Formats: sequence, structure tokens, C-alpha cells
Amino acid sequence: SQQGEEDPQALSIQEGENATMNCSYKTSINNLQWYRQNSGRGLVHLILIRSNEREKHSGRLRVTLDTSKKSSSLLITASRAADTASYFCATDGRGSEKLVFGKGMKLTVNP
Amino acid sequence: KAGVTQTPRYLIKTRGQQVTLSCSPISGHRSVSWYQQTPGQGLQFLFEYFSETQRNKGNFPGRFSGRQFSNSRSEMNVSTLELGDSALYLCASSLALGGANVLTFGAGSRLTVL
Repeated sequence: SQQGEEDPQALSIQEGENATMNCSYKTSINNLQWYRQNSGRGLVHLILIRSNEREKHSGRLRVTLDTSKKSSSLLITASRAADTASYFCATDGRGSEKLVFGKGMKLTVNP
Repeated sequence: KAGVTQTPRYLIKTRGQQVTLSCSPISGHRSVSWYQQTPGQGLQFLFEYFSETQRNKGNFPGRFSGRQFSNSRSEMNVSTLELGDSALYLCASSLALGGANVLTFGAGSRLTVL
């Protein structure tokens, strides 16, 4: 299965700290995306990184991709209570059009 | 512009019944995907439609079906409901097919099967 797996499954930090979430996947990909989901609601796109890119930034977000290790990391700097949510990585395998999501990782940022 | 609209937001059914969920994509988006989200399995891909054609299908039984209309609106149907079908059903739209396209999700339809 090409489904990504986020690690850790849950993370609790204090406001102002950095949060790092990891995603591993099994097959070659074209693109990897990160999404956020607030409790019981729809997912919101955060960032997309292509297989030929190694790092990408968007505001307080930094994403890295290591295709040799089939892994990606999402770093949220200077976290805020509003960052409390579940975070998902999603990948598309080569030759596949569909986007497959991992099981998600729950981040809690304590004020 | 309006986001992805899913109806109904909540519904309760009993085993053996059937249910139809509706999704209106963002104007101009031609691809609609459906996902089932449960605490144990995470997000599971159901199917994806583009220009009224099913382009991809996940590993779900034939009780799960869908369709897309000429205005890109989509419906999914689950027949002979089972307790395990209780889940949040998410619809997402994108401009085109392919993993380079960003998905915009609706708020979901929460189905409870009793």
C-alpha cells in the first residue's frame, strides 16, 4: 500500500514551541501533500511538495522530502493554540491519479 | 467563491437501509473525490469522478456507489447499510485529476448506522 504513515501519532507541546511531524510512505511518488483537520471537520490543504523538491516553506510551515528514505517531515514553528488539529500527509503513487492519505497525527498545543 | 457543500451534514439510519449523500464542488472544479473517515482506519479513498466518469475506485464493496452529473455535482450511495458504515464521509473537489492538484474538502456528512 502506498498509504503514508504519520509519526508520532499524537504530540502535545506548549505554545511557542516547534512541532515536527513525520510521514513515511512505501512506493515512489510524484507529489506529497500535507493537510490539517480541525475536530470532525473537513481537511484544509497546507502545502504540496513535488518529488523533485527537497524543501518548501509556507509561513510558519516547513516541509522536507527525502525520496531516498521515502519520508517527509512537517515543521510548524512558534506553534499557537490554533494549530491544535490533526495533520495528514497524502501521496500519489507513480501511475496513479488518486491521493492516498495516512491515518493522521493529532497535535495539541497547550496555551 | 463558495466552498464545497455537502448535504446532509448529519444523518441517522438503521441497518439495511440505504443512504444518498450529495456534494456540490467549487465552481469550475471538474474532479470530485469521496473519502470515508473512521477513527480506526483514517481516511479511506472511495472513488473519484471527472467529467461524469469514475476514474478511480478504492477497495470498498459494491454497496458503495457514486455518480457525477454534468454540472460536476456528485452523489454517493450506500445500500444495505451495516453498523461499520458509520463514519464521516468527506467529499473533495479539485480542478483536475492527479496528485499535483490540491483538494478542497467539504465539512463532511456524518452517518450513524444503528
